[in-house]
Amino acid sequence: EDQVTQSPEALRLQEGESSSLNCSYTVSGLRGLFWYRQDPGKGPEFLFTLYSAGEEKEKERLKATLTKKESFLHITAPKPEDSATYLCAVPQRGKDTGRRALTFGSGTRLQVQP
Amino acid sequence: DSGVTQTPKHLITATGQRVTLRCSPRSGDLSVYWYQQSLDQGLQFLIQYYNGEERAKGNILERFSAQQFPDLHSELNLSSLELGDSALYFCASSVVEPAGELFFGEGSRLTVL
Repeated sequence: EDQVTQSPEALRLQEGESSSLNCSYTVSGLRGLFWYRQDPGKGPEFLFTLYSAGEEKEKERLKATLTKKESFLHITAPKPEDSATYLCAVPQRGKDTGRRALTFGSGTRLQVQP
Repeated sequence: DSGVTQTPKHLITATGQRVTLRCSPRSGDLSVYWYQQSLDQGLQFLIQYYNGEERAKGNILERFSAQQFPDLHSELNLSSLELGDSALYFCASSVVEPAGELFFGEGSRLTVL
């Protein structure tokens, strides 16, 4: 069964203190890895799509990278407004899903203190 | 604002009852996904519809059902509710399927007492 595991579960940073979040996956025939941001009480918001090892995507202070086994979300000089839960997801291979749905990791809860 | 509208935002009901959650996808999106998010289970895929047709089914209980109407809005029906059904229920939509870029609504928070 396809799985994604995120670490750490929670991360507290000082404003300006860069760090990385990890998403490990066990998927045969990866068809994309997706990063989302979720604010408390809100729906997830799409951030990035990565398809092949070595690929990188950037958006403001966030950069996502992909290897054959894992993906990293690097946060450079974070600000308090970057505080959120970050989720990674892969297309779900199941008996009834045909890779049409996403399997989400449990997320990393990031808190950036001023 | 993702463009996906979910109603109601909050719902409190009793065990054994039935509720209906409604979702209007973004204009032009043909695909609708339903997800359940609870503290101990994370985001779990329930079911997907594309242009009125069921296309994928996840861990959806037999007490739950859904449909997508000709105007593309979707409803998730939850019956014989149990305490464990308390969760946030999200609807998401996409233009194409399969899709990794989903647009999520703000969710319906269901509390079963």
